[in-house]
Amino acid sequence: QVQLQESGPGLVKPSQTLSLTCTVSGGSISSGSYYWSWIRQPAGKGLEWIGRIYTSGSTNYNPSLKSRVTISVDTSKNQFSLKLSSVTAADTAVYYCARVPVEMATIFDYWGQGTLVTVSS
Amino acid sequence: DIQMTQSPSSLSASVGDRVTITCQASQDISNYLNWYQQKPGKAPKLLIYDASNLETGVPSRFSGSGSGTDFTFTISSLQPEDIATYYCQQYDNLPQYTFGQGTKLEIK
Repeated sequence: QVQLQESGPGLVKPSQTLSLTCTVSGGSISSGSYYWSWIRQPAGKGLEWIGRIYTSGSTNYNPSLKSRVTISVDTSKNQFSLKLSSVTAADTAVYYCARVPVEMATIFDYWGQGTLVTVSS
Repeated sequence: DIQMTQSPSSLSASVGDRVTITCQASQDISNYLNWYQQKPGKAPKLLIYDASNLETGVPSRFSGSGSGTDFTFTISSLQPEDIATYYCQQYDNLPQYTFGQGTKLEIK
């Protein structure tokens, strides 16, 4: 059974860069069968898709965040990562990593447990 | 951008009740509509995909219907463990994934 686990600093200062990593276990991130995605959720609010990456390194981003987002993959570590630059309090949220099957690219079938990132000085 | 309007935002019902949540897309999305259940402090869980298909292992009291712009999610007989927030989610070929605002379901 595949598992995803987010990790990274829980506190980031305004204007700095938020960096998170998702470690995938129980399956190879380089199988070619999945996209790997980031989604966030501010406290008490809804879900917002941030972007996704394929094994090849090809990325797609939410247009509303595209100028500040970089998603990368490290197949040797079975990990993918999120960087969000120039953060403000509005970026405070629980950040989830999730898996998207290539053959059914409309769904998120497995999710990490989420990690809370607070933007504050 | 495709906007998703989900209603109601909250709902109170009794155990055994039939519960219905709706989701409307701002343009035709065919059947690219999924439903998730999120319990407090947990990640969302996929329940229904492609508007009407039940994910493996999900109880049959959950169902979905619709196509185009109007979709419905139904719990045929509400159980105490169904207390959660439910989200619809659409996909378009940009690609872009968009979630509804969520429906918080409580027991009356």
